Amino acid sequence: NAGVMQNPRHLVRRRGQEARLRCSPMKGHSHVYWYRQLPEEGLKFMVYLQKENIIDESGMPKERFSAEFPKEGPSILRIQQVVRGDSAAYFCASTNNRNNEKLFFGSGTQLSVL
Amino acid sequence: GQQLNQSPQSMFIQEGEDVSMNCTSSSIFNTWLWYKQDPGEGPVLLIALYKAGELTSNGRLTAQFGITRKDSFLNISASIPSDVGIYFCAGPYNNNDMRFGAGTRLTVKP
Repeated sequence: NAGVMQNPRHLVRRRGQEARLRCSPMKGHSHVYWYRQLPEEGLKFMVYLQKENIIDESGMPKERFSAEFPKEGPSILRIQQVVRGDSAAYFCASTNNRNNEKLFFGSGTQLSVL
Repeated sequence: GQQLNQSPQSMFIQEGEDVSMNCTSSSIFNTWLWYKQDPGEGPVLLIALYKAGELTSNGRLTAQFGITRKDSFLNISASIPSDVGIYFCAGPYNNNDMRFGAGTRLTVKP
């Protein structure tokens, strides 16, 4: 009974490189959310996706960040040309319906940009 | 936009003590949620509140949805070491955006 799986757990990148964060939702869940957490802060909404569709990306920076949730395979959060300010923990959460109160979170990917 | 303010920011308590923390907002929320985050893990939902005045328990945890719908509190009775972590209140800003407070960091000394 696997929960939400995120990989890698830790990702180190140099400035200017690309970061790809993966999220496999819980079995049967077709709604995925990405959140970002800075140290000593709460989680900030980035993007909400359903299979093959971006529903709301209002929390995601317009440049360098993109997200997808293909018909087959995990959801991907992609950060191009990373900068030091991108260093954070990125959490994925999934649910089986649009009522997103019962969110199930993964363990996160800690991105460190050198 | 809507912000959730949690207090206290951190707490250091002795094992066995009771804990109380709260969350306030300048705007009305129709749902209040309390999550716990263990170090290095994602948040886990503890309690969900849907009606003003509602009081809900989950084991040693009790949470209440304020009458004004602008606040909520979470109590933990007889704390134990595994209660250590960060407690977040959260509420839906719109259908897609669950807003989180900055958290209350709890340390329990054995």
